Amino acid sequence: EIVMTQSPATLSVSPGERATLSCRASQSVSSNLAWYQQKPGQAPRLLIHGASTRATGIPARFSGSGSGTEFTLTISSLQSEDFAIYYCQQYNNWPRTFGQGTKLEIK
Amino acid sequence: EVQLVESGGGLVQPGGSLRLSCAVSGFTFSSYGMHWVRQAPGKGLEYVSAISTNGDRTDYANSVKGRFTISRDNSKNTLYLQMGSLRAEDMAVYHCARSVSGYDDYWGQGTLVTVSS
Repeated sequence: EIVMTQSPATLSVSPGERATLSCRASQSVSSNLAWYQQKPGQAPRLLIHGASTRATGIPARFSGSGSGTEFTLTISSLQSEDFAIYYCQQYNNWPRTFGQGTKLEIK
Repeated sequence: EVQLVESGGGLVQPGGSLRLSCAVSGFTFSSYGMHWVRQAPGKGLEYVSAISTNGDRTDYANSVKGRFTISRDNSKNTLYLQMGSLRAEDMAVYHCARSVSGYDDYWGQGTLVTVSS
């Protein structure tokens, strides 16, 4: 099973600033990496697939990069609605596996 | 509008069984693989099971293999998860999700399964 490790566990950032979230895979997942956003009491929402392709309707301030084992989600200018938990997920191998999540909180 | 609505959750005793359903609308159900993903209270996301478009291929997490069975009825636009030999660690919100090339682009709100005596 591929282990996905996200860092940091919690990130405190002020609105308008940039946030950078990291995700590392225990073995290569090529570009088969997705990012999801989850708010309390809600289902996860797909942000990025293919490591860098924004899903339909996702604002341009969200961008993804990386391949192989190292990935990054960047939110260029944080809006109030962006404070949530973010999960990375590999879909290169079964079982699909998620990182443990990064909580993005208001500083 | 794409919609996925889970049902069937509830309180069940350890060792018991439960069948979850996921009714979908707004897309051609038979054209998509589907997943079940769960989230224990206050915890992260865990894949449970996957099924191909026509149901001929299924996959399971090791933690549920042999106890859970995924199935679908394309004529009813419905996905199922039959859960047996339930344990305390199976307690979670269970989401169904539409799979596109392995990732999930639409998710249901989930149904809560509580395992307790």
